[in-house]
Amino acid sequence: AQSVAQPEDQVNVAEGNPLTVKCTYSVSGNPYLFWYVQYPNRGLQFLLKYITGDNLVKGSYGFEAEFNKSQTSFHLKKPSALVSDSALYFCAVRDYQTGANNLFFGTGTRLTVIP
Amino acid sequence: KAGVTQTPRYLIKTRGQQVTLSCSPISGHRSVSWYQQTPGQGLQFLFEYFSETQRNKGNFPGRFSGRQFSNSRSEMNVSTLELGDSALYLCASSSQTGINEQFFGPGTRLTVL
Repeated sequence: AQSVAQPEDQVNVAEGNPLTVKCTYSVSGNPYLFWYVQYPNRGLQFLLKYITGDNLVKGSYGFEAEFNKSQTSFHLKKPSALVSDSALYFCAVRDYQTGANNLFFGTGTRLTVIP
Repeated sequence: KAGVTQTPRYLIKTRGQQVTLSCSPISGHRSVSWYQQTPGQGLQFLFEYFSETQRNKGNFPGRFSGRQFSNSRSEMNVSTLELGDSALYLCASSSQTGINEQFFGPGTRLTVL
């Protein structure tokens, strides 16, 4: 079975400070990992993905994520948070072995950047 | 390139009715997936279509069905609506399976009264 856990429902950070949104995963084989962001009344926007290769992945809007196989984690990071980063963030996994195209999502983490 | 479009954006129905939602993927994308988003259950996979064939299905009752047309446009249908079907229904398209990310539409907000 495949699953994703986002242990924090809410993360608050001051503007200009670094931010981290946590994600751990569980898959039977090699994972494809994704981060999406959702703004109010909008669909999900793709931020970045890890497929293979370098463990540090850079994505849109200055976000990056670090893949850690031993800890089965894929935390989202940004060096300096902006108020406009406030949104709902989802981590997702696709199981490479099954070949299925669907994503398994975490429960989401609401990020609030305080001015 | 135009993004994924979903129609209608908002729907209000009553229990027992049926509803059809439409999704037009990004041009050239042949894979279309549907997800249900609710505050209680989060984002749950409904089904995926590729070249007019359902390839994968989530754990939803048979009242939920879908199809895909030769131009890759997809529809999902929910029959005998229940109050618990109230949700944001999201459609996502991708160019192929495996490594490519899915691109999501804005969703259809369904309210069942």
